[in-house]
Amino acid sequence: QQQVKQSPQSLIVQKGGISIINCAYENTAFDYFPWYQQFPGKGPALLIAIRPDVSEKKEGRFTISFNKSAKQFSLHIMDSQPGDSATYFCAASLNTGGFKTIFGAGTRLFVKA
Amino acid sequence: DVKVTQSSRYLVKRTGEKVFLECVQDMDHENMFWYRQDPGLGLRLIYFSYDVKMKEKGDIPEGYSVSREKKERFSLILESASTNQTSMYLCASSPGAGGTFEAFFGQGTRLTVV
Repeated sequence: QQQVKQSPQSLIVQKGGISIINCAYENTAFDYFPWYQQFPGKGPALLIAIRPDVSEKKEGRFTISFNKSAKQFSLHIMDSQPGDSATYFCAASLNTGGFKTIFGAGTRLFVKA
Repeated sequence: DVKVTQSSRYLVKRTGEKVFLECVQDMDHENMFWYRQDPGLGLRLIYFSYDVKMKEKGDIPEGYSVSREKKERFSLILESASTNQTSMYLCASSPGAGGTFEAFFGQGTRLTVV
């Protein structure tokens, strides 16, 4: 059972374009929604995160949009650069005594120069 | 600087062997996690621990066990390795209550079972 569904699996964007990755979740108990970025040969690293009481969060060129009623959230990368080429994972976390995080399947982004 | 260290980058083991993957964090984090990463499946949670000697099953615990005898160390054990356990294994840690949910990952161990 996939609790966090992510799309697309892969994405090719021109330099300067907007990259959009979408995620949907099922469990309304999730209360933290992070995005992780992973470069080849490295572990994932936190990129940006949002709490469900906020509809949008922006950090530089990266924006999370959050729709609580639809149980969906998305990552927008503005002015995409070749250095943004990586795999992106959305995730959802909840406190079960410890903090449990469930990840989406990942999106491989390639930004063409 | 935050650091999660996995003992091996690459491992090759034979079917039926008992395999130990070690992870150490230096951030005094309460929570530690083991994930496996497979193409098209993302990161799937195997086990996690929110305190010393405490453990909880994740989504795919079958064939695995864990040990957390000290706060900084979390070990993943493959009791009898099988070829379908060939994968990238990622360890992570995060602060406890009062901290953030942010998970800090090691660089991963690529395990091949032959």
